[in-house]
Amino acid sequence: QVQLQQWGAGLLKPSETLSLTCAVYGGSFSGYYWSWIRQPPGKGLEWIGEINHSGSTNYNPSLKSRVTISVDTSKNQFSLKLSSVTAADTAVYYCARGNVDYGSGSLGYYYMDVWGKGTTVTVSS
Amino acid sequence: SSELTQDPAVSVALGQTVRITCQGDSLRSYYASWYQQKPGQAPVLVIYGKNNRPSGIPDRFSGSSSGNTASLTITGAQAEDEADYYCNSRDSSGNHLGVFGGGTKLTVL
Repeated sequence: QVQLQQWGAGLLKPSETLSLTCAVYGGSFSGYYWSWIRQPPGKGLEWIGEINHSGSTNYNPSLKSRVTISVDTSKNQFSLKLSSVTAADTAVYYCARGNVDYGSGSLGYYYMDVWGKGTTVTVSS
Repeated sequence: SSELTQDPAVSVALGQTVRITCQGDSLRSYYASWYQQKPGQAPVLVIYGKNNRPSGIPDRFSGSSSGNTASLTITGAQAEDEADYYCNSRDSSGNHLGVFGGGTKLTVL
């Protein structure tokens, strides 16, 4: 059974860089989009971005200028960096495994079937 | 459009049927996936694709889609189904982005 274990610094000062890593255990690393999602306190889920095993990335346009997602296939790990953080970046950050099919003549699908437990990141001076 | 719209809150009597909806242009190109989230926990996938349930998800959960609207139906809602529910799909703009609905708080009365 695939499990995701995530870690990283939980308390940052404004202007610092958020750095989180997610390790994949018990399954294949290829064929999926490895994703980051966040949830500010009391609010909904926000998709941050994703990477596949080849290093191809997609980013939320609202965060694209500050986000870098990278992959280390030798360790079955992927990482998130978010630069110049502010209080608005305070959230629980989740990693997840994404499955995508763009459909051929029918509806495509996209879903995230395995999630990490989440890391609470607080930005405060 | 990359937006998915959900009703903020829905309630259902114990044992009754409830439908939670999600609207957006991207749902004309992609099936929605649905996630259940309880306080302090990570989201859990409950429905994906046309109407597929991951292992361990009760069969009272089902999904459907028509035009720009996707629905999650819980038939015979249980107290443990009280949670936030989020829909999710791919952006239909061709930019390969993920997008979530704003979430629906389900209360089981």
